[in-house]
Amino acid sequence: GAGVSQSPSNKVTEKGKDVELRCDPISGHTALYWYRQRLGQGLEFLIYFQGNSAPDKSGLPSDRFSAERTGESVSTLTIQRTQQEDSAVYLCASSLLGVRNSPLHFGNGTRLTVT
Amino acid sequence: DQQVKQNSPSLSVQEGRISILNCDYTNSMFDYFLWYKKYPAEGPTFLISISSIKDKNEDGRFTVFLNKSAKHLSLHIVPSQPGDSAVYFCAASYTGANSKLTFGKGITLSVRP
Repeated sequence: GAGVSQSPSNKVTEKGKDVELRCDPISGHTALYWYRQRLGQGLEFLIYFQGNSAPDKSGLPSDRFSAERTGESVSTLTIQRTQQEDSAVYLCASSLLGVRNSPLHFGNGTRLTVT
Repeated sequence: DQQVKQNSPSLSVQEGRISILNCDYTNSMFDYFLWYKKYPAEGPTFLISISSIKDKNEDGRFTVFLNKSAKHLSLHIVPSQPGDSAVYFCAASYTGANSKLTFGKGITLSVRP
């Protein structure tokens, strides 16, 4: 069956530009997560959606980062005025019920490079 | 601060031998632990989990051991196979934190044929 799909797979952008990263979760998965992995680091939590609501946004590093989810399906992570420290692999994951009840299924990520 | 620590960045073992990957945590509220495996250019995939009410969970070649008093867990792979070569992440969560897992930095395992 279809897994979590992320697009684009790679994105190179100039400092100061805005970028949008897309995630299509597994159909029926109510929970959706965004993580990022900077070079040499572990996975860093950004935001969690339950349905279309985001009860936990505590990982968003600054107000330049925002995310939305619609139709309890697709999610978009937007980074405004990108900075070089935003360069990372951005990973989306979905889960049927949430991390304590069902495993996270990750997409292959979007590699963002800010020049 | 790193609440989940994987202090050894890499491990190399011979095919057929045991691989032992270690993980330490600092947050005593953590009560659910998982291991994820990641190949290059792919997202992590779930491998095995353990609740704090247990001290061992086994699934085929993979066994996770939990020592709560030491705040330490380990993943044993027996026998190791070349296809096991990947990055392994330890992750943890606690009751009420359905929102997220806290991950370590990962350990790169290389299994030599």
